[in-house]
Amino acid sequence: AQSVTQPDIHITVSEGASLELRCNYSYGATPYLFWYVQSPGQGLQLLLKYFSGDTLVQGIKGFEAEFKRSQSSFNLRKPSVHWSDAAEYFCAVGLPSGTYKYIFGTGTRLKVLA
Amino acid sequence: DTEVTQTPKHLVMGMTNKKSLKCEQHMGHRAMYWYKQKAKKPPELMFVYSYEKLSINESVPSRFSPECPNSSLLNLHLHALQPEDSALYLCASGRDRLFDEQYFGPGTRLTVT
Repeated sequence: AQSVTQPDIHITVSEGASLELRCNYSYGATPYLFWYVQSPGQGLQLLLKYFSGDTLVQGIKGFEAEFKRSQSSFNLRKPSVHWSDAAEYFCAVGLPSGTYKYIFGTGTRLKVLA
Repeated sequence: DTEVTQTPKHLVMGMTNKKSLKCEQHMGHRAMYWYKQKAKKPPELMFVYSYEKLSINESVPSRFSPECPNSSLLNLHLHALQPEDSALYLCASGRDRLFDEQYFGPGTRLTVT
């Protein structure tokens, strides 16, 4: 079945530590891939996206993500987390063919310890 | 202008009320979306407008009625809602490719009493 999986519901890291949030998808073709961040009670903000080209993409707020076709993954990373990064992170997939499909993962809640 | 604005920020309504949510964007986007988001859940698509025409309705109950008066505005009319409709309602816009990035507003927190 077509799906977007974020295996980690919660992640806690210390401020200054590195971060990796995982995202896996199961679709036949390479979809458009996105990471969004949502602060409490707010809308979602696009961090970065991938659809072709260099598999390491840079985003806003110091985030980057790497697309690995062989693993159907699009993991989000940040070398040094700031307390303001505490939020909910959603991976999303857009399918450019067939019927409309724009699927959000279930989200990963990031907590940052001072 | 790179913002999507939504009004009101908060809304409390009774089950017999009629109210409307409003969304506006001035980025020239031709796709606009309504999502419903419950606590600790991802956004759930309700409607998609493309070039001011309703192109997707995700089997939403008729007590929710969308309207797209022009390419910059999107409304969601609410009538006879149920308490379980209480949620954060998010509007988003995007370029004409529906599978591409979306730009979200801050949402309207709706409480149905």
